[in-house]
Amino acid sequence: GQQVMQIPQYQHVQEGEDFTTYCNSSTTLSNIQWYKQRPGGHPVFLIQLVKSGEVKKQKRLTFQFGEAKKNSSLHITATQTTDVGTYFCAGRANYGQNFVFGPGTRLSVLP
Amino acid sequence: GAGVSQTPSNKVTEKGKYVELRCDPISGHTALYWYRQSLGQGPEFLIYFQGTGAADDSGLPNDRFFAVRPEGSVSTLKIQRTERGDSAVYLCASSFEGTSRTGELFFGEGSRLTVL
Repeated sequence: GQQVMQIPQYQHVQEGEDFTTYCNSSTTLSNIQWYKQRPGGHPVFLIQLVKSGEVKKQKRLTFQFGEAKKNSSLHITATQTTDVGTYFCAGRANYGQNFVFGPGTRLSVLP
Repeated sequence: GAGVSQTPSNKVTEKGKYVELRCDPISGHTALYWYRQSLGQGPEFLIYFQGTGAADDSGLPNDRFFAVRPEGSVSTLKIQRTERGDSAVYLCASSFEGTSRTGELFFGEGSRLTVL
């Protein structure tokens, strides 16, 4: 079945440093979504990418979808303590199928 | 309500007991998902409804798990003969999905199940 992997598993950064998490799928995806989960909370939607090679920005966050639609990345510029949490990618192989979540990258930001 | 509502928020039960977890999705959302999440892990897919029917139930771990959505709105996840390994947070999410269009998943706060 479809598998989604993420690296790194954990990342500790100093406030102001950049952060990147990578997501890889075993199968080609029709679309990919990114979620953030704060400690003790539930996943909250950040973005959806649909097109091959697509790049989207949200303030300090930049999301990319690979040309082959099998990988994606999330880059945060100049991290802040409010960025703390676990970032999940979730990929869907085809419309009408479920979303498979990656194991997440847990980000800690030291002030 | 404004968001996805899940009840109970916490459930402690004994091994072998039957448990029902309820999810009330956002009004008008056609798709409903059940996931479960263990500490430090990503959400693990269980079942996905499109309307009243289960579009994909490939994630249900065994026949002790069953879910229904009889009127295309509220869904109930049913677990028979609970085992300690069933302990997790059970997350429900809903989304609006039109023809070839996928919306974001809105998650509820989850139901934390502890099997003693």
